Amino acid sequence: AQSVAQPEDQVNVAEGNPLTVKCTYSVSGNPYLFWYVQYPNRGLQFLLKYITGDNLVKGSYGFEAEFNKSQTSFHLKKPSALVSDSALYFCAVRDKGGTASKLTFGTGTRLQVTL
Amino acid sequence: KAGVTQTPRYLIKTRGQQVTLSCSPISGHRSVSWYQQTPGQGLQFLFEYFSETQRNKGNFPGRFSGRQFSNSRSEMNVSTLELGDSALYLCASSLVQGLGTDTQYFGPGTRLTVL
Repeated sequence: AQSVAQPEDQVNVAEGNPLTVKCTYSVSGNPYLFWYVQYPNRGLQFLLKYITGDNLVKGSYGFEAEFNKSQTSFHLKKPSALVSDSALYFCAVRDKGGTASKLTFGTGTRLQVTL
Repeated sequence: KAGVTQTPRYLIKTRGQQVTLSCSPISGHRSVSWYQQTPGQGLQFLFEYFSETQRNKGNFPGRFSGRQFSNSRSEMNVSTLELGDSALYLCASSLVQGLGTDTQYFGPGTRLTVL
């Protein structure tokens, strides 16, 4: 079975500072990994995904994520945080060997960016 | 291109009633998945439809059902509502089914409150 862990319920960072939101995964084979963001009373918005190739994936709004196979991690990063980045972030995994489209999500990490 | 649309956005029902939620996928997308989001259980996969057929099902009771129409629009139905069914129901669409690299795009959700 596939699973995702987001060890931090909340991450606090000052505007202009770099941010990292952590994610580790567990799948039986090779993973497809995704990051989504959710703003209040909204659905999930796709940020980026890792399929294969470069371990550093660039996505929307200046976000990027680093895939580390040995540590089974896929941490989300941004060099300079904005107050508008404050939201709930979800990491998700899909088993490359599976036939389902379903994503397995982590529990989410709330990012709070302050002035 | 218009995104995923869900109707209604908000619903209030009482225990024992039934409810139908609607989802229109992005134009050209043929796979529709449904997720339930609650504070306690997080994001959980309900089911997936492709070509008017349910392809995968999550671990939910039979009170939860769905269908997909020939134009890829989907509906989900919950019968005999329970208080615990109060949640944000999210619909996601993707181009095809079972392609691991495919991105799921989410709608804004339907907020269901059961009294």
